[in-house]
Amino acid sequence: DAKTTQPPSMDCAEGRAANLPCNHSTISGNEYVYWYRQIHSQGPQYIIHGLKNNETNEMASLIITEDRKSSTLILPHATLRDTAVYYCIVSFTDNYGQNFVFGPGTRLSVLP
Amino acid sequence: EAQVTQNPRYLITVTGKKLTVTCSQNMNHEYMSWYRQDPGLGLRQIYYSMNVEVTDKGDVPEGYKVSRKEKRNFPLILESPSPNQTSLYFCASRPQGAQPQHFGDGTRLSIL
Repeated sequence: DAKTTQPPSMDCAEGRAANLPCNHSTISGNEYVYWYRQIHSQGPQYIIHGLKNNETNEMASLIITEDRKSSTLILPHATLRDTAVYYCIVSFTDNYGQNFVFGPGTRLSVLP
Repeated sequence: EAQVTQNPRYLITVTGKKLTVTCSQNMNHEYMSWYRQDPGLGLRQIYYSMNVEVTDKGDVPEGYKVSRKEKRNFPLILESPSPNQTSLYFCASRPQGAQPQHFGDGTRLSIL
């Protein structure tokens, strides 16, 4: 089972910031938080990941709470092309593999 | 261009006719994996490979085989396909460490 909880759907106005929340209350110390998105039935696209600190790249920002039990993905200026299903995944990596479990995600609709 | 390439992209076939879906990556990644995606069930891992000649079962391995004879290739084999294997399949790869996975564009299989 997925270790994360996300709202099933959200709307956002074009040009505004989209803030997508994720709860991961059972996260352990060696687990990272990853965000992916999937547009229609295309392959999931990596967005950003982090362990403890907030992260920012050209696509988005990731804010992780101090207790690491929740995080927020921020798309600073949402466009219509950001309409997709967004997945929050917590995962550890060891010598035996990477436990990567996709939940149902959040369907983000960016509205004109 | 760094990419994960799957072939074929679409296939309609009949029950019992062996098929292979190829996956190739040009990023020299150690780790590769296969997922299937079904409506209401999300993405589920079928098999993964930590390196050449090292493979292991994911969450839904029944009815599938894989091999990893070369680092860049990770074919998915359906020895005797059945209709319940009709699905959208994704291959992914990543380097060692807590790095994100890169996904292919998907293969849509229909088993009649």
